Amino acid sequence: DTAVSQTPKYLVTQMGNDKSIKCEQNLGHDTMYWYKQDSKKFLKIMFSYNNKELIINETVPNRFSPKSPDKAHLNLHINSLELGDSAVYFCASSPGRRVYGYTFGSGTRLTVV
Amino acid sequence: TQLLEQSPQFLSIQEGENLTVYCNSSSVFSSLQWYRQEPGEGPVLLVTVVTGGEVKKLKRLTFQFGDARKDSSLHITAAQPGDTGLYLCAGGDEKLTFGTGTRLTIIP
Repeated sequence: DTAVSQTPKYLVTQMGNDKSIKCEQNLGHDTMYWYKQDSKKFLKIMFSYNNKELIINETVPNRFSPKSPDKAHLNLHINSLELGDSAVYFCASSPGRRVYGYTFGSGTRLTVV
Repeated sequence: TQLLEQSPQFLSIQEGENLTVYCNSSSVFSSLQWYRQEPGEGPVLLVTVVTGGEVKKLKRLTFQFGDARKDSSLHITAAQPGDTGLYLCAGGDEKLTFGTGTRLTIIP
């Protein structure tokens, strides 16, 4: 039973398209995150939600819009995709706002062509 | 901005050897975590260290948190091919800042 599941695993799309990535956790955690991992494997936080409330919004282009319909779900919608958006996007969850161990999903590899 | 520099960036050693990976910062962290990431998967938490000078052991892996809580090390004894992966340190309060990563390859 997967703790943090992301869909899709792979996403190939053309520049200018709009796409969404979905994330669900069944751990009962209060806090969820989106991280971006670039080609050099550097992980950088994008957003964090605590009980459906946005608490961290790093300097991410406003083409990226997260949505949390409930505390078990955190989706990421990306408008007008650009080549530079190609990366692996990871969803993660933790028990609360203070840093505990994160549980990560297996990632979504986004390729913009 | 808190930065975590890991060294070495790449490490390739023979099975059975010992190795140490370092994680350094100019900032003080309330806690540091170590993760291992395998290809096509997300990082998996190995350990959290919270007290300056703390040492934690996980089978053949030994983690140490520096006295000043600015640095940490991961020592692996008698490395095995299953230890191959990307090792990431991470620290922070309300968000985790990840280190630059060490890609470890153990050659059978």
